[in-house]
Amino acid sequence: DAKTTQPPSMDCAEGRAANLPCNHSTISGNEYVYWYRQIHSQGPQYIIHGLKNNETNEMASLIITEDRKSSTLILPHATLRDTAVYYCIVRVADAGNTPLVFGKGTRLSVIA
Amino acid sequence: NAGVTQTPKFQVLKTGQSMTLQCAQDMNHEYMSWYRQDPGMGLRLIHYSVGAGITDQGEVPNGYNVSRSTTEDFPLRLLSAAPSQTSVYFCASSRGLIEGYGYTFGSGTRLTVV
Repeated sequence: DAKTTQPPSMDCAEGRAANLPCNHSTISGNEYVYWYRQIHSQGPQYIIHGLKNNETNEMASLIITEDRKSSTLILPHATLRDTAVYYCIVRVADAGNTPLVFGKGTRLSVIA
Repeated sequence: NAGVTQTPKFQVLKTGQSMTLQCAQDMNHEYMSWYRQDPGMGLRLIHYSVGAGITDQGEVPNGYNVSRSTTEDFPLRLLSAAPSQTSVYFCASSRGLIEGYGYTFGSGTRLTVV
């Protein structure tokens, strides 16, 4: 059972920032927030993850609220190639006994 | 670096046939796993491994076997293929789940059982 809630779909104009929300109100203190995306039936691609602090890498930024009950993935300048299903996943950092549980994600459509 | 390599990319099997899906990674990752994705569905964990010689079952292990004789390879064997096993299979590896690293996925094997 997915522990996260995401909107089923979103649109974003090319060149604008895409802000994808995720609710994880039951997150535990030792659970990370991960974001993956899947472009048209390719293998899922890891984007970013965080525990408490905001994180940024070459692909995206992750903003986690202070109470950790929600987060936002930001793609600063969306392109057509960013059209994909985006998955927000919470997972405890353990030795591998806990699988990644993919929910239904948010289908982001970037429009020219 | 090749990352996670899966072969074959496509396969058609007859009911009752057996086959092995290959997965290899060149990143020296300890953790590897197999997922299946049915049309319009999320990924479900089949088997996983936390290191060479160690494997364990995931959510949907029935009908599949795995072994991990080396760090690099994690093959998935279908013992007697059934139409219900028609799916896309993804192999994934991770540098360190305890440290919170993410998974790197392969490009998938699309299997059809007729």
